Formats: sequence, structure tokens, C-alpha cells
Amino acid sequence: ETGVTQTPRHLVMGMTNKKSLKCEQHLGHNAMYWYKQSAKKPLELMFVYNFKEQTENNSVPSRFSPECPNSSHLFLHLHTLQPEDSALYLCASSQEGLAGRIDTQYFGPGTRLTVL
Amino acid sequence: AQSVTQPDIHITVSEGASLELRCNYSYGATPYLFWYVQSPGQGLQLLLKYFSGDTLVQGIKGFEAEFKRSQSSFNLRKPSVHWSDAAEYFCAVGVASGTYKYIFGTGTRLKVLA
Repeated sequence: ETGVTQTPRHLVMGMTNKKSLKCEQHLGHNAMYWYKQSAKKPLELMFVYNFKEQTENNSVPSRFSPECPNSSHLFLHLHTLQPEDSALYLCASSQEGLAGRIDTQYFGPGTRLTVL
Repeated sequence: AQSVTQPDIHITVSEGASLELRCNYSYGATPYLFWYVQSPGQGLQLLLKYFSGDTLVQGIKGFEAEFKRSQSSFNLRKPSVHWSDAAEYFCAVGVASGTYKYIFGTGTRLKVLA
């Protein structure tokens, strides 16, 4: 596998279910990101992990819980979601280095989530 | 506040015609600028990026973009569009404020007529 992979690609869940999205990067990067992509809205950054430490949480509801066990894997645990949480969830990774240096983010194919 | 504006939500061009997608940004420091493309059901693929140096950057699939500081713009161009270019295009500015992150525009959906 190369690049950034995400599983599952599609997920349908009820509002009382608990599920997890998985992201794995094979690029040797040290930073990983979760984004939410809803129709007609800009990509929303949800969480940032740098060297496995969460460095940003963009006021995301607690029904979304991220986990980064190592620099290659990122999870998004979901519980008691709402129908408005239906969206494409994208994972990305990058190599963060020198201060002030922005590097390219590489995206996975996304998980299409539908909440019934 | 930092922001990215893509004023065209939809653009339709004929195959073989030239293309220009507009992007304007608002950011106080030197911007790091990106264009990504997203095909239906897929993630975002990097087309090109500008960090510094030559203001005209070349990307994959025959795309290029020009950084114009005076206009706060980073427009994407292609001289001859192919049907396979139909997709959604996103402009982004990279900001370093505590942590590194991108600010994305709302995207421009390109339709190509045969």
C-alpha cells in the first residue's frame, strides 16, 4: 500500500451505533489530520495530530473522538451521531519540520458516512 | 482572518478550450498556496503548490498557476481542457499559527462538454 488509505470507504450507521474510521499513512509523515467535507461547505479541519499529540481540536462535538496510537495510524471513533454528521470524512498526512514551514498534505480517499 | 475565496461555484467549458479557475486569498504573511483536484468519490489530489520563487508554477496534468501578490490571487490555468478534467477543484492557503493547517476554498466544479 502506498500513500494514505482509509477504511471503510462507506459506512451507514444509526444514531445509537458506535463505529470507528481508520486511516493509515505509508509516507513516513509525522502529522495527521481529520477533515469533514459536507456538500456546499468548505473542508472543515477537525483534528490535527503532530508526533502523536493532538495539537488542534476545532470545536468538534464530543461525539467524535480521535485516537492516534502512532504516527502512521489515526482513528476517528463515532458514537451517538446525528443525521447532520453525514459527510465525507477525509484523512490527510504531512511532514512537519522547520518552524513556519508548511508542507504538502496528502489525502486519503475518504469515508462516506451516512447517519440514519 | 485568513480566508480563501473561489468565486465560481460551477464552470462549464468545451473540450479543447482553455480554462482559468480563480482563487483569492486573505493572509497577512507570505502565503503557501495549493491547488487540489477531487474526482467524484475520491480524496483530494495535489495539482501544484507555491512556496516561494518563480510565481508561475507547473503542476501535473498540464495545469499551471500564477501567484500574484498584488492581487492576492493564485489562479489555475490549463490551455486545453480534456474531458477527464471534469472534477471539483480546491484552492488552499497554508497557515502557520501555532500548528500548521490549511484553509480551503469552497471549490469550483468543472464540467467539460464534448
